[in-house]
Amino acid sequence: GEDVEQSLFLSVREGDSSVINCTYTDSSSTYLYWYKQEPGAGLQLLTYIFSNMDMKQDQRLTVLLNKKDKHLSLRIADTQTGDSAIYFCAEEIGSGNTGKLIFGQGTTLQVKP
Amino acid sequence: DVKVTQSSRYLVKRTGEKVFLECVQDMDHENMFWYRQDPGLGLRLIYFSYDVKMKEKGDIPEGYSVSREKKERFSLILESASTNQTSMYLCASGSGYEQYFGPGTRLTVT
Repeated sequence: GEDVEQSLFLSVREGDSSVINCTYTDSSSTYLYWYKQEPGAGLQLLTYIFSNMDMKQDQRLTVLLNKKDKHLSLRIADTQTGDSAIYFCAEEIGSGNTGKLIFGQGTTLQVKP
Repeated sequence: DVKVTQSSRYLVKRTGEKVFLECVQDMDHENMFWYRQDPGLGLRLIYFSYDVKMKEKGDIPEGYSVSREKKERFSLILESASTNQTSMYLCASGSGYEQYFGPGTRLTVT
């Protein structure tokens, strides 16, 4: 079945760039997503990329998509302590605009001052 | 602002009890979802609904049921709570590509 894999933990220093990686299995996914979960809160959509794109930039965030390798990454430039959170990669599965998502395990980003 | 609210932030129940988790959204979304979140496992879909009175099983429906009598409300029911259902439960609603999440209910079954 469909699967999304992420590493569980990443630690960086404030001001450095963070790169969170994700692999997925469903090659028919139309959209791929990055969600952020701050402590004690639900998930919040951070950004998304359409499957016919290979890069999307939004301020400090850069999403890279390699469809051939089914690899998605999220780069956060100039990482701040407020970026400390759990980041989830997700792919949309099923035909049509179902909204049904498969999530990865989540990567905990720790930003050291 | 989109609001998805869940009836409780923390809940403690005994084994065998029937448990109701309520979720309400105010954006007239057709799609609503229930997930459970466990460390190292991410979010796993329990049930989802595309319309009133309509439901479909997700990846881990065993031990759960759902009810959607009104468009804005989606309830998750644990028929007979067990300790392995101790978890964080997240509700979401969506229209199109974005899902909006509630703050979660941390359920402990003792």
